[in-house]
Amino acid sequence: GENVEQHPSTLSVQEGDSAVIKCTYSDSASNYFPWYKQELGKRPQLIIDIRSNVGEKKDQRIAVTLNKTAKHFSLHITETQPEDSAVYFCAAEFFGNEKLTFGTGTRLTIIP
Amino acid sequence: EPEVTQTPSHQVTQMGQEVILRCVPISNHLYFYWYRQILGQKVEFLVSFYNNEISEKSEIFDDQFSVERPDGSNFTLKIRSTKLEDSAMYFCASSDGQGGYNEQFFGPGTRLTVL
Repeated sequence: GENVEQHPSTLSVQEGDSAVIKCTYSDSASNYFPWYKQELGKRPQLIIDIRSNVGEKKDQRIAVTLNKTAKHFSLHITETQPEDSAVYFCAAEFFGNEKLTFGTGTRLTIIP
Repeated sequence: EPEVTQTPSHQVTQMGQEVILRCVPISNHLYFYWYRQILGQKVEFLVSFYNNEISEKSEIFDDQFSVERPDGSNFTLKIRSTKLEDSAMYFCASSDGQGGYNEQFFGPGTRLTVL
C-alpha cells in the first residue's frame, strides 16, 4: 500500500523567514497531494493541494512543488507569521482509490 | 461556507460499551470517510463510503466497527465493544469526488475516551 514519509518532524523558524516541509510517497500511481494544517485540538484544514499533472502551485505565501520522478513533494511557506504555527500534514491519494494516506506531520513553530 | 459537523465533541465510555459517533457531511457531497488520530500521531484512514456501501476499509476497521447512513444527512460510525486502544480523535470527512480528485473536508472531530 501507499506509504508517505514526512520531514522534518519539528521545525522552528524566525518570523518572516521561510519554512519548507518535504514528503515522499511510495506509490508512483498516486496523483493527488493535499496539505493540511491542524491547530491544536482542531480539525485538519486543507490549505493547498496539487495534482500530478502540475509541477508547482502557489497561493499567496504558500506554494507546493511536486517531483513525480523522484516521488516527492514539498510545502513552502514564505514570510512566516505567528499564526502559521501548527502541525502540517502532507497526504497522497492514488487515483480512483479514495483514501488519503497521511504523513507523520511536522510541528511548525514561528518564533516572534 | 458549508462545513462537516460532528457530534458529540467528546465521548467518554467504559471499555466494552458501544458508542455511536455522528457526522453530517456537506450536503452535496457523495463520498464519506472516517479517519482516526491517536493523540500526537498521524491521521489514519478507517473507511470510505459511497452509494450506500463501504467502498474501502483499512485493517483497523475490523468487525467491531460499522458505518451507516441512516437518512439523507447523517453518517455514523459505530464501535460495538470499545477497547482502551480505541481512544482517539475520530474525524469524519466528505468530498464531492468531482473530476476524479478527492478534496476532502474534515469535521471538527469527536474525542473518544475509553476507560
